Amino acid sequence: EVHLVESGGGLVQPGGSLRLSCAASGFIFSSYWMHWVRQTPGKGLVWVSRINSDGSSTYYADSVKGRFTISRDNAKNTLYLQMNSLRAEDTAVYFCAKGETGYSDSWHDNWGQGTLVTVSS
Amino acid sequence: DIVMTQSPDSLAVSLGERATINCKSSQSVLYGSNNKNYLAWYQQKSGQPPKLLIYWASTPGSGVPDRFSGSGSGTDFTLTISSLQAEDVAVYYCQQYYRTPPTFGQGTAVEIK
Repeated sequence: EVHLVESGGGLVQPGGSLRLSCAASGFIFSSYWMHWVRQTPGKGLVWVSRINSDGSSTYYADSVKGRFTISRDNAKNTLYLQMNSLRAEDTAVYFCAKGETGYSDSWHDNWGQGTLVTVSS
Repeated sequence: DIVMTQSPDSLAVSLGERATINCKSSQSVLYGSNNKNYLAWYQQKSGQPPKLLIYWASTPGSGVPDRFSGSGSGTDFTLTISSLQAEDVAVYYCQQYYRTPPTFGQGTAVEIK
């Protein structure tokens, strides 16, 4: 059974940094694209970033480009999101989501439970 | 970016009745070379992550009850719950993965009448 478990969220001041982690199990992590999707409290879903299976290709939403960095450690079956220069509008629940092999963008058949990031002074 | 617009924003349906949710994309998500619509549907219950219901516009996800079905092509899509059950109370989202960035509809809240 696939499991994705996010961690690293919390309260941070504007301009601060956080690193989110997503521990994966139950599938061959190194074979799949992985994504981060966020959800503002009470609002909808917004795609944030994706990374290919070996970590050599990344892509970001315009709203986070230059501030967030996605990465992965296939030896540890872990996905990361380094978030710098955080803004109030980055406040959201951040989900990691499994992609598909062979498709840079795809449906997501597995999601983590999410980790809440709150940016506030 | 491709804009996904769902209708209605909310829907109240009696138990056992049909629920229909529409999703319209600002441009076609049908890829001509493989004739596939790059469109998925998700269900999100309160306090939970989204759960995949449908991909390729009409292919059910693993373990999805057969009362959920997807249809449509090009720019217009529909999610149908053929006989609403109490456990189907949730917010439903469509998503296009035809073009980066993938984008979601604003969501449709389904409740029991």
